[in-house]
Amino acid sequence: AQRVTQPEKLLSVFKGAPVELKCNYSYSGSPELFWYVQYSRQRLQLLLRHISRESIKGFTADLNKGETSFHLKKPFAQEEDSAMYYCALRSGRGSTLGRLYFGRGTQLTVWP
Amino acid sequence: DTGVSQDPRHKITKRGQNVTFRCDPISEHNRLYWYRQTLGQGPEFLTYFQNEAQLEKSRLLSNRFSAERPKGSFSTLEIQRTEQGDSAMYLCASSPIAGGPEKNIQYFGAGTRLSVL
Repeated sequence: AQRVTQPEKLLSVFKGAPVELKCNYSYSGSPELFWYVQYSRQRLQLLLRHISRESIKGFTADLNKGETSFHLKKPFAQEEDSAMYYCALRSGRGSTLGRLYFGRGTQLTVWP
Repeated sequence: DTGVSQDPRHKITKRGQNVTFRCDPISEHNRLYWYRQTLGQGPEFLTYFQNEAQLEKSRLLSNRFSAERPKGSFSTLEIQRTEQGDSAMYLCASSPIAGGPEKNIQYFGAGTRLSVL
């Protein structure tokens, strides 16, 4: 069964420190992975997706199929990065085509 | 604002009443999704439309829930005989079906927060 696990519900770092938000998944196939972000009082929005292999707002994420992980990283956190981050997996086949499976989210707080 | 629009933003109802939510997707997006999000959890899939066809329904969608997208544009989600356990944020998302860089990206609305008293 498809499942996305975000082990940390809360994560706090100081400004300028590196940050890593963990995401592990289970899926019997080739998944498509996403990170969505929700800033305070705003809607859920896409941050990045693994197939784009790009850096957005200084964040990167690499799909590691061996470890079934898609951790989100940023070398120097900023206060404006404080938000709720959701890892999501898109099912690519069969009856579940298209739906997203979300983790429970990690609330990141960056202290000044 | 050309994003996904949901109405109402908040709904308070008494147990046993029926409620209906509306979602207007991004223009020309063929796919439309409904999700439900409860406190401390990520969004959970409810149902999915491609144009006017409802292609998939989650087991979470009990027979009290019904969704429609009659003309392949806006969608409605109705909950009959609401229960306190239905209290949640109901999110709508849309995505294009054609190829290109936005394929498979789901764009979310601000949600409708339902409170069942």
